[in-house]
Amino acid sequence: GEDVEQSLFLSVREGDSSVINCTYTDSSSTYLYWYKQEPGAGLQLLTYIFSNMDMKQDQRLTVLLNKKDKHLSLRIADTQTGDSAIYFCAEDGSARQLTFGSGTQLTVLP
Amino acid sequence: GAVVSQHPSWVICKSGTSVKIECRSLDFQATTMFWYRQFPKQSLMLMATSNEGSKATYEQGVEKDKFLINHASLTLSTLTVTSAHPEDSSFYICSAKSYSGANVLTFGAGSRLTVL
Repeated sequence: GEDVEQSLFLSVREGDSSVINCTYTDSSSTYLYWYKQEPGAGLQLLTYIFSNMDMKQDQRLTVLLNKKDKHLSLRIADTQTGDSAIYFCAEDGSARQLTFGSGTQLTVLP
Repeated sequence: GAVVSQHPSWVICKSGTSVKIECRSLDFQATTMFWYRQFPKQSLMLMATSNEGSKATYEQGVEKDKFLINHASLTLSTLTVTSAHPEDSSFYICSAKSYSGANVLTFGAGSRLTVL
């Protein structure tokens, strides 16, 4: 079946770059996504990448996709305290439904 | 942009009572909505796919009679937790597909259910 894995925690200092990694198993994914969840809230779409792309940049966010290794990463440049949240990667595989990773808790230290 | 409104944002009820949660797409039509359950510090667990005008499709292990889903219009889906028990306490989140390209979902803000 489809499986998406992420590390659970990441801590960075304010102003540094954050890199959140994700691996997935379904090679038929069309799009891969990054969502952000702040405490007590729903999920907010940050960005997504089409599976035939290697990289997508949107302001402070850079998504890298290595389709051969089924590895997705999200880089946040100049990380701010407001970036502290849980970040979920997701893929839409053969089931055409989103499968979410376990989420990575990003903590930004002053 | 696409907005999904979920109501109530939190609810406390007594064991044995039923609770209804509403999910509305405010500025777009959603033929399909999704209901998730999220336990503390865990990922989202898809409970069911709600289809306008037809029966919901439930994921394996989710009790249909326990979690009633109704999708009566293109902008409203409801989840009713029937005869709620403390183990049903959780964060419930709905989402809707907001446009036909990428499988992008817009999420509601979630509903925190506490059953006493």
